[in-house]
Amino acid sequence: KQEVTQIPAALSVPEGENLVLNCSFTDSAIYNLQWFRQDPGKGLTSLLLIQSSQREQTSGRLNASLDKSSGRSTLYIAASQPGDSATYLCAVITSGANNLFFGTGTRLTVIP
Amino acid sequence: GAVVSQHPSRVICKSGTSVKIECRSLDFQATTMFWYRQFPKQSLMLMATSNEGSKATYEQGVEKDKFLINHASLTLSTLTVTSAHPEDSSFYICSAPLPGAKNIQYFGAGTRLSVL
Repeated sequence: KQEVTQIPAALSVPEGENLVLNCSFTDSAIYNLQWFRQDPGKGLTSLLLIQSSQREQTSGRLNASLDKSSGRSTLYIAASQPGDSATYLCAVITSGANNLFFGTGTRLTVIP
Repeated sequence: GAVVSQHPSRVICKSGTSVKIECRSLDFQATTMFWYRQFPKQSLMLMATSNEGSKATYEQGVEKDKFLINHASLTLSTLTVTSAHPEDSSFYICSAPLPGAKNIQYFGAGTRLSVL
């Protein structure tokens, strides 16, 4: 069964710093990997989606990479802002399944 | 763009009562919807897959008689937590994939259930 792990579980950085969030998954047979943002008590906001054939996706200050063979993905956030404070989740869709397998999340706090 | 509406967003109820959560796809048809649950400080975990016109598929450890799922139309799935207890307090969220594009899923805003 697919297992998704995120490191670190929590991260606190001063405003303006660049940071990297890590995600690993055990079954490399995936359709895609997504990064989400979750604000406290709220739903999910999709940030980036990387297809299994792609190696990275960029959106504004966010860049996500995917190394399917090693089962790893990173989310790079440039010039962090207090508004980036949230929990970031990565999730994969495994080949043959339709549902998402979520990681445990990284709680990010950006200090003004 | 495609939208999934989930209602209610927050429920506080007494132990023993039943709670119904609705998930609607507003501008597309969803033959499949997914129900996830998230306990505090844990990740979202799939509970069940709701299939229009047929029985839902439950993940291991999820009681089908406690979490009743009905997917009676192509735009509506409901999750009923029967005889809720404090340990059922959680964040419940649904998602629906676009037809023919399972890579793309849209999520509801979630329901925070608190059972007293």
